[in-house]
Amino acid sequence: AQSVAQPEDQVNVAEGNPLTVKCTYSVSGNPYLFWYVQYPNRGLQFLLKYITGDNLVKGSYGFEAEFNKSQTSFHLKKPSALVSDSALYFCAVRDGAGTYKYIFGTGTRLKVLA
Amino acid sequence: DGGITQSPKYLFRKEGQNVTLSCEQNLNHDAMYWYRQDPGQGLRLIYYSQIVNDFQKGDIAEGYSVSREKKESFPLTVTSAQKNPTAFYLCASRQSGDTQYFGPGTRLTVL
Repeated sequence: AQSVAQPEDQVNVAEGNPLTVKCTYSVSGNPYLFWYVQYPNRGLQFLLKYITGDNLVKGSYGFEAEFNKSQTSFHLKKPSALVSDSALYFCAVRDGAGTYKYIFGTGTRLKVLA
Repeated sequence: DGGITQSPKYLFRKEGQNVTLSCEQNLNHDAMYWYRQDPGQGLRLIYYSQIVNDFQKGDIAEGYSVSREKKESFPLTVTSAQKNPTAFYLCASRQSGDTQYFGPGTRLTVL
């Protein structure tokens, strides 16, 4: 069965420092991986996705993610965090069986400290 | 939040009452989804629809019903059979590729 794990409930980072939000996955077949961000009482905003190709994927707002097949990971990164990056981040994987169902992680709250 | 609207933003339900949450999209997307979000549990799939007049149960469909009579609309009814409906409900649509786009959400509270 497909699954996504976000091992950290919260990540704290100082403004200007690099940030990493971790995600590991389990899926049959080729993984289709996504990152979304959610601000309070709002819907989810798409950040980036990995379908195929380069292992380093660049997305919105300066975020990028590194796909690592051997470690089944898809960690979200940003070289220099902003206070405005503080939000809830979700990793998701698409069902590889063609049903177009998506499995979401439990979310990681990122807090960037000024 | 793109071209997906959800209404109302806040909804209050009394015990034993059915309520309907609206989701409309003007993105011309074929597929639409309903998720429930609870603190610490991420998003859980309630129902999804790949095409008009067709929909499938997700992981937590009990106590919910949907219809898909028009491409742009996918309303969700929370019935009295749903014993713990207080949550944040998110609607999404998907383009022909893989990316889902989400509406702003409806917060449902049982009084």
